[in-house]
Amino acid sequence: DGGITQSPKYLFRKEGQNVTLSCEQNLNHDAMYWYRQDPGQGLRLIYYSQIVNDFQKGDIAEGYSVSREKKESFPLTVTSAQKNPTAFYLCASSPSREIYGYTFGSGTRLTVV
Amino acid sequence: AQSVTQPDIHITVSEGASLELRCNYSYGATPYLFWYVQSPGQGLQLLLKYFSGDTLVQGIKGFEAEFKRSQSSFNLRKPSVHWSDAAEYFCAVGALTGGGNKLTFGTGTQLKVEL
Repeated sequence: DGGITQSPKYLFRKEGQNVTLSCEQNLNHDAMYWYRQDPGQGLRLIYYSQIVNDFQKGDIAEGYSVSREKKESFPLTVTSAQKNPTAFYLCASSPSREIYGYTFGSGTRLTVV
Repeated sequence: AQSVTQPDIHITVSEGASLELRCNYSYGATPYLFWYVQSPGQGLQLLLKYFSGDTLVQGIKGFEAEFKRSQSSFNLRKPSVHWSDAAEYFCAVGALTGGGNKLTFGTGTQLKVEL
């Protein structure tokens, strides 16, 4: 079945370390997105990519980086510059040339200690 | 730019009671509207969507939503709530922009179901 896989489900890191969250999709979607979710704040867009080798900053990109070398993959790196990285991270994908609902992965909960 | 408002942060209903979750949108053209549900620690699952046509839309798990252009609303309803419906619900409006397919989400409504 087609879908989006985020790994790992839970991730623990020490403060000051970079960490990379994985997102893979087999839906043949052009567009992919990363959201951060904190209690009471809904979904906040970090980065998105409409096509391979291209991506744009969302509303809260500071302290994060991404790459899009393959259509299927859109990894997110949380750098040591991110002041408050502990959160739930969601990856999503969609077609890019038509209005369409997003398909979401099951999320990664990152805890930085 | 489009926006979505979900006025209720938390709602509590008794099992078996009816449910209505409110969603108001702002968008200049005909909106494309979505409702998603999120169980704790999980991703978002699409409940239903409105693109055009019949203003009453049926979705999964017995949910429906009604599009009212005059009120800029797209409220989610369920006639009889089950304990398993306890979750967070997000309304979203979609548009095609220079940046592609863009969904704007509301801040969510947390539903608690009392047994």
